[in-house]
Amino acid sequence: NAGVTQTPKFRVLKTGQSMTLLCAQDMNHEYMYWYRQDPGMGLRLIHYSVGEGTTAKGEVPDGYNVSRLKKQNFLLGLESAAPSQTSVYFCASRRGTGYYGYTFGSGTRLTVV
Amino acid sequence: EDQVTQSPEALRLQEGESSSLNCSYTVSGLRGLFWYRQDPGKGPEFLFTLYSAGEEKEKERLKATLTKKESFLHITAPKPEDSATYLCAVDPGTYKYIFGTGTRLKVLA
Repeated sequence: NAGVTQTPKFRVLKTGQSMTLLCAQDMNHEYMYWYRQDPGMGLRLIHYSVGEGTTAKGEVPDGYNVSRLKKQNFLLGLESAAPSQTSVYFCASRRGTGYYGYTFGSGTRLTVV
Repeated sequence: EDQVTQSPEALRLQEGESSSLNCSYTVSGLRGLFWYRQDPGKGPEFLFTLYSAGEEKEKERLKATLTKKESFLHITAPKPEDSATYLCAVDPGTYKYIFGTGTRLKVLA
């Protein structure tokens, strides 16, 4: 099993450009999450999904959009990148509530110049 | 408000010097407490799940314990390869965890 796979691993964008980060999981997990991690700020939830076709906002959703058209994929979009979106982005998934912990991807390091 | 606080923010130990990391939490209904290890440039890696006060879990040099208000991650005779950031998270019974900001551990040879 690959677990949670994120693509790309690194990306440099110019201010105003758009891009999509892809997260794919092969564990048949219901819940999927997008976090950003910044020094001293910990993990902050951007958006999450509790099932195919459903999404919800987290703590810091502004400037991002998401889609979950297929159960195994969760896409994070930046429509018009800003330097404040320079961060490391992590995708995570889990089977359901309760006992099940998160499985994280290896991250995408995004720099907006 | 649900909250998770980890201390200390950073910890430097000599190899073999045992210590503990703290995770204190305030949640209305704890469904589980999780410990993760994160190495530089990588995603967090699951270590332990704890569910009820008094529970303990062990893995090699690590032991996690849980009370009604906090959890400890005890590191016995650490080695340089234990150097990492350790994250604590709680499941308050909603769809998403609440994470602490982590403890950066450095073990010196």
